[in-house]
Amino acid sequence: ETGVTQTPRHLVMGMTNKKSLKCEQHLGHNAMYWYKQSAKKPLELMFVYSLEERVENNSVPSRFSPECPNSSHLFLHLHTLQPEDSALYLCASSRETQYFGPGTRLLVL
Amino acid sequence: KNQVEQSPQSLIILEGKNCTLQCNYTVSPFSNLRWYKQDTGRGPVSLTIMTFSENTKSNGRYTATLDADTKQSSLHITASQLSDSASYICVVISGNTPLVFGKGTRLSVIA
Repeated sequence: ETGVTQTPRHLVMGMTNKKSLKCEQHLGHNAMYWYKQSAKKPLELMFVYSLEERVENNSVPSRFSPECPNSSHLFLHLHTLQPEDSALYLCASSRETQYFGPGTRLLVL
Repeated sequence: KNQVEQSPQSLIILEGKNCTLQCNYTVSPFSNLRWYKQDTGRGPVSLTIMTFSENTKSNGRYTATLDADTKQSSLHITASQLSDSASYICVVISGNTPLVFGKGTRLSVIA
């Protein structure tokens, strides 16, 4: 265990659903990240929060909406997703080295 | 363009054998390089961190090397075990830019 937890671990949703992914860390880290991992592709950075403020948004579609209410929690709100959004969504936190959560395996039908 | 290329894409070895995974990068300026191990269905876990001045660093049966001149790194696994079966991801950090990830090498250790 890395100290970063993610829920749910698995999620199946339709294209009209709204769901949220949750990430939590109590490591005292000051930065949190959302990554997308698709098969046979490098990890893609989606969002970075440093000290609870968003500092990076790599042109992610607006159907993905992050929220960082405090330094220990990070959410990824999902709505009207597409089948190509099916992937493993990884959360990470860091002070220097990034520690990854176990990921949420998302399937969009 | 900042890129990290890993080879081979996949590898199958017998338990107890050694193997070496390669990572070539074009990321500049270079800050440090990290190797992560990712078990199936889990998030990546850091194995080693190599800075510019470090040539070799060991973590148990894992030994990482770095040649900053040729921009190459390798991860050598000694006396492989079944539990070494995983994806090994090379990541290069450059100043304040986002981490640059390789696609990973999928290692399967068989009995």
